[in-house]
Amino acid sequence: EAGVAQSPRYKIIEKRQSVAFWCNPISGHATLYWYQQILGQGPKLLIQFQNNGVVDDSQLPKDRFSAERLKGVDSTLKIQPAKLEDSAVYLCASSLVGGRQRTDTQYFGPGTRLTVL
Amino acid sequence: EDQVTQSPEALRLQEGESSSLNCSYTVSGLRGLFWYRQDPGKGPEFLFTLYSAGEEKEKERLKATLTKKESFLHITAPKPEDSATYLCAVQAAGAAGNKLTFGGGTRVLVKP
Repeated sequence: EAGVAQSPRYKIIEKRQSVAFWCNPISGHATLYWYQQILGQGPKLLIQFQNNGVVDDSQLPKDRFSAERLKGVDSTLKIQPAKLEDSAVYLCASSLVGGRQRTDTQYFGPGTRLTVL
Repeated sequence: EDQVTQSPEALRLQEGESSSLNCSYTVSGLRGLFWYRQDPGKGPEFLFTLYSAGEEKEKERLKATLTKKESFLHITAPKPEDSATYLCAVQAAGAAGNKLTFGGGTRVLVKP
């Protein structure tokens, strides 16, 4: 079974530029997550989608970050404009069902390492 | 606010030297506690889910246990291939979504 796919794997940009990351979840998984992992820290949830809808985006900096999941499959995460503190690994994860009272396992992709200069 | 603290931050072991990693948590109501392994340059890899105090799970040289305030990951007779960062995360009951709140991880280095 193919895992979660992400691209690009690495991206270097200058501050104030824009960047976009792409994620393709495990086939059949309804729920998709974007996490930010700063070097030396654990991942932090940015946004959770269940099918097309947003379930939790309370920790997404909405003035500069946006995400969409069209057709309930692939997702893109965009940063515009980027700041130095956005340098991190952006991880995409997916789970089979999600939703309240469910404890589905979240499976992670390899991540995109972003460096903002 | 949910909190997870892992200790130690780093652990150096000789091959065969057993040890334990600690994960202390504060959560309004625990839906599940997760252990992941993360190798450099890769995403976290799922190891275990624990649901209630007293539960234990094993996989090869790893054994995870859970109490009402903390979880332990025991590594028995580790090998160099067990070198990785081990992440602990909690999922809160009653939350809108399925957010995992992670600790900072324990970096384990096993020397031959």
